[in-house]
Amino acid sequence: DTGVSQNPRHKITKRGQNVTFRCDPISEHNRLYWYRQTLGQGPEFLTYFQNEAQLEKSRLLSDRFSAERPKGSFSTLEIQRTEQGDSAMYLCASSFSPSGDEQFFGPGTRLTVL
Amino acid sequence: GQNIDQPTEMTATEGAIVQINCTYQTSGFNGLFWYQQHAGEAPTFLSYNVLDGLEEKGRFSSFLSRSKGYSYLLLKELQMKDSASYLCAATNAGKSTFGDGTTLTVKP
Repeated sequence: DTGVSQNPRHKITKRGQNVTFRCDPISEHNRLYWYRQTLGQGPEFLTYFQNEAQLEKSRLLSDRFSAERPKGSFSTLEIQRTEQGDSAMYLCASSFSPSGDEQFFGPGTRLTVL
Repeated sequence: GQNIDQPTEMTATEGAIVQINCTYQTSGFNGLFWYQQHAGEAPTFLSYNVLDGLEEKGRFSSFLSRSKGYSYLLLKELQMKDSASYLCAATNAGKSTFGDGTTLTVKP
């Protein structure tokens, strides 16, 4: 399978715990994006990377969220001290710049904070 | 800032044509995407418009007017499997801002 993959697909955690999600983009794609989506809403931009550089981070994100892409391939998104409001689907997407901004999405990680 | 508006819900009949509108107000703009998203699944790419005009791709067509900040997605010969949420997204320098989606229900 050469699409975008995300792990885990589901995560249930208790409030206050830390969680980490992984995204493996399509191999030749140099851009990687993280979004958060809640029911009935569109994906909300969190951050994106070009290769290993984090180019933009949403001002909506608190300091509890951090993302890395150390070698310009896979990426991790960590949420520290989770809150119930963090419950959502976390989507990763990748694209190849400069051939266009079309983003290919992974299946997502559904986070439930109890 | 970015503001994307699209209708929340639409209903259409199998075999018919439906047009889903999207208006956007953005501080920078490269192009506009349309994605399809079935319940519980990730969005999948439908179209990308950069220039004004209509682009046709099989049963789906997408239109863009940059001066009016307006786009629409046209679905022809509707099938039951077209029941899904349709998301428009304005993109600027690689960052996409999504609308909340239009839930389309196709009835027999």
